[in-house]
Amino acid sequence: GENVEQHPSTLSVQEGDSAVIKCTYSDSASNYFPWYKQELGKRPQLIIDIRSNVGEKKDQRIAVTLNKTAKHFSLHITETQPEDSAVYFCAASIGLGDSNYQLIWGAGTKLIIKP
Amino acid sequence: DTAVSQTPKYLVTQMGNDKSIKCEQNLGHDTMYWYKQDSKKFLKIMFSYNNKELIINETVPNRFSPKSPDKAHLNLHINSLELGDSAVYFCASSQRSGNTIYFGEGSWLTVV
Repeated sequence: GENVEQHPSTLSVQEGDSAVIKCTYSDSASNYFPWYKQELGKRPQLIIDIRSNVGEKKDQRIAVTLNKTAKHFSLHITETQPEDSAVYFCAASIGLGDSNYQLIWGAGTKLIIKP
Repeated sequence: DTAVSQTPKYLVTQMGNDKSIKCEQNLGHDTMYWYKQDSKKFLKIMFSYNNKELIINETVPNRFSPKSPDKAHLNLHINSLELGDSAVYFCASSQRSGNTIYFGEGSWLTVV
């Protein structure tokens, strides 16, 4: 079946440095790619998303880039802060037929910001 | 105002019991989901309903049965609970399937 691979599984960066998390997807028809942040004991929450007609999207310190040809997309966090410590999930949409879609999720990346 | 609310938040129960988790969304969305997140943190889709119609039914033991009385509610009933059912169960909703998903706060189920 379709899948999404996410790397790395754990990422430790110094406060103030940048962090990059990468995902690859298998369905070339995927057209929606959200990123979620899950803090310890909390629910996953959308932080940024991108659709297949756009190559890059930015929101303050976070950005997402999409390479449709290579079928991969990445989350970039600049000037990392302690509150960025969390698990980050990527996802990609796939078609189920009958105008229904499903998000396929990456396995998550635990981001640790070292003070 | 809570967008996706689920109850109970915490549930500790013995093996073999039957339990239910209720979920309601006030976002006017037409699609609702149940996800399971175990200790390894992987988000696993269990079920999805679009306009009360089951559209995703992943490989889940038939002890798990979802019920959607209307578009705003999706409940999860679990029969004969097992130790391996211990996890966090997230209800979620979206406007159209495969779109931005909004999660509830989660229900922490512990089977002892």
